[in-house]
Amino acid sequence: DQQVKQNSPSLSVQEGRISILNCDYTNSMFDYFLWYKKYPAEGPTFLISISSIKDKNEDGRFTVFLNKSAKHLSLHIVPSQPGDSAVYFCAALGMEYGNKLVFGAGTILRVKS
Amino acid sequence: KAGVTQTPRYLIKTRGQQVTLSCSPISGHRSVSWYQQTPGQGLQFLFEYFSETQRNKGNFPGRFSGRQFSNSRSEMNVSTLELGDSALYLCASSLGVAGGWNEQFFGPGTRLTVL
Repeated sequence: DQQVKQNSPSLSVQEGRISILNCDYTNSMFDYFLWYKKYPAEGPTFLISISSIKDKNEDGRFTVFLNKSAKHLSLHIVPSQPGDSAVYFCAALGMEYGNKLVFGAGTILRVKS
Repeated sequence: KAGVTQTPRYLIKTRGQQVTLSCSPISGHRSVSWYQQTPGQGLQFLFEYFSETQRNKGNFPGRFSGRQFSNSRSEMNVSTLELGDSALYLCASSLGVAGGWNEQFFGPGTRLTVL
């Protein structure tokens, strides 16, 4: 069963506009949610996280929103830049499960210049 | 400081063979986790090692195994390879402190192709 889902396999956005990537989860025991970015031939790199006790976390152009009642989180990138083109993975972590990250299938973001 | 290194970067094997992949974590990190990435499946957790002991395990068959050495370097082994084992295998290292979130740093992965 997929506990973390990213229902959009790809997203195309114009440079300078907002990119919104979505993620849904089913397990209410998750304590942290994270976004990773992955370029081809490289490993994923950590982008931003949010604790389950918060509803928003911001870091520069990146903001993550968490809606616990809907079991939904989203990553907003404003403004989008061509260098943001990559695969974005949503991941969840539960203290009960140790250091194990549960990942979504990823969303390919293409930012057009 | 140096990042996570994985060797080899690419590997081609045939069905029925076995393979060993290696991961060297960031200096000072004691936890190494392994993930399998296949198209459309995201990253699937294989196992985590901490201080030479397997601390957590995912839902993979017993053909997938691993170990960790005293210097925190880790290896994973896949025996009796199947076509479906073709994937990118990623390792991630972290401090591994229990009770909180530890940022995991990923290596570039080993691309395994099974023919």
